[in-house]
Amino acid sequence: DAGVTQSPTHLIKTRGQQVTLRCSPKSGHDTVSWYQQALGQGPQFIFQYYEEEERQRGNFPDRFSGHQFPNYSSELNVNALLLGDSALYLCASSSGSVVRETQYFGPGTRLLVL
Amino acid sequence: TQLLEQSPQFLSIQEGENLTVYCNSSSVFSSLQWYRQEPGEGPVLLVTVVTGGEVKKLKRLTFQFGDARKDSSLHITAAQPGDTGLYLCAGSGGYQKVTFGTGTKLQVIP
Repeated sequence: DAGVTQSPTHLIKTRGQQVTLRCSPKSGHDTVSWYQQALGQGPQFIFQYYEEEERQRGNFPDRFSGHQFPNYSSELNVNALLLGDSALYLCASSSGSVVRETQYFGPGTRLLVL
Repeated sequence: TQLLEQSPQFLSIQEGENLTVYCNSSSVFSSLQWYRQEPGEGPVLLVTVVTGGEVKKLKRLTFQFGDARKDSSLHITAAQPGDTGLYLCAGSGGYQKVTFGTGTKLQVIP
């Protein structure tokens, strides 16, 4: 049983560019959450997708957008990249029908903005 | 806004010593998780606690959820170098929105 997978593993972009990160949830999971983790800090919640819609959103600007596909996989898009967007981007999956369901994390995508 | 403060931020100890990491908030959480994260990898779930006062043990690790479900602690007995990593607590409050703590970076020196 494959766990949560993310691609690419590493990415280098320049300021002003756009980036798309991808996530495939664990088998049987229908909810995907995205987090941004700066070096040495805890992950910060970006948003969560359930039934192909954004269900919750953290304190991130509109430059951060996402999408969930019918097969529950998800994309995170970031426009007009800033140096401060450099971070580890984590995807977590869970079952949306269970209120206290635990989230399982992927290995992350390391984004460097130059 | 729900915030989780962890202490200490950094901890460097000798192999065989005991340690406790604290996770505190002014908010009530429906459940709380502890994760360990190694450099360049995603957090790996250690335990979930859901009941106030609950204590869970995982080998040398003991986790406790506060009676009011606002705080938690992680105690490691006889720390090993393999315990080295970033320890994160995370609170869930409805619709699975998860708030992560500030993290505790543990180094166990052989």
